[in-house]
Amino acid sequence: DAEITQSPRHKITETGRQVTLACHQTWNHNNMFWYRQDLGHGLRLIHYSYGVHDTNKGEVSDGYSVSRSNTEDLPLTLESAASSQTSVYFCASSTGTSGFPDTQYFGPGTRLTVL
Amino acid sequence: AQSVAQPEDQVNVAEGNPLTVKCTYSVSGNPYLFWYVQYPNRGLQFLLKYITGDNLVKGSYGFEAEFNKSQTSFHLKKPSALVSDSALYFCAVSANSGNTPLVFGKGTRLSVIA
Repeated sequence: DAEITQSPRHKITETGRQVTLACHQTWNHNNMFWYRQDLGHGLRLIHYSYGVHDTNKGEVSDGYSVSRSNTEDLPLTLESAASSQTSVYFCASSTGTSGFPDTQYFGPGTRLTVL
Repeated sequence: AQSVAQPEDQVNVAEGNPLTVKCTYSVSGNPYLFWYVQYPNRGLQFLLKYITGDNLVKGSYGFEAEFNKSQTSFHLKKPSALVSDSALYFCAVSANSGNTPLVFGKGTRLSVIA
């Protein structure tokens, strides 16, 4: 069955370290998204991609970067981790062209703690 | 800019009673509207969506939502709540023009009491 996976599921790191969170989907979806979930804020969009080599900034993109070299993967990199980036991170993907907001399918999440 | 408001952080309902989780939105043009549910330590799961057509949308697990354009609302409803419906519910909106991604509300925690 097609799915979307995230790794690692849990990560503890130190302030200033570079961290990469992986997201892999086998739906063959064009669109992929990264969100962070924090109490009181709901889900906030970090970065998104509408296809290979396409990336766009979301609402809370500072301190994060993504690259899309193939359809299946959209890794999220924290260039220099900060305590404010302690959060639960969700990856999602959707079908459709030109960013049409079709149903998004979410991964299980990565809980990141920055000490 | 588009936005979503879920005015209640927490909704409590007795098992067997009807439930409503409220959502209002703001968007330029016509909206695409979604409801998602999140169970503990899980990702979000799609419940239902409104794109166009009938204002009453039926979704998974017996949930439905009514699109009200004049009140800019998209409230989630279920005729008879189950304890297993206890979860975090998110409303999301996007404009139906251009490449605008979804904007999510802050979520409403539903607690169904036996």
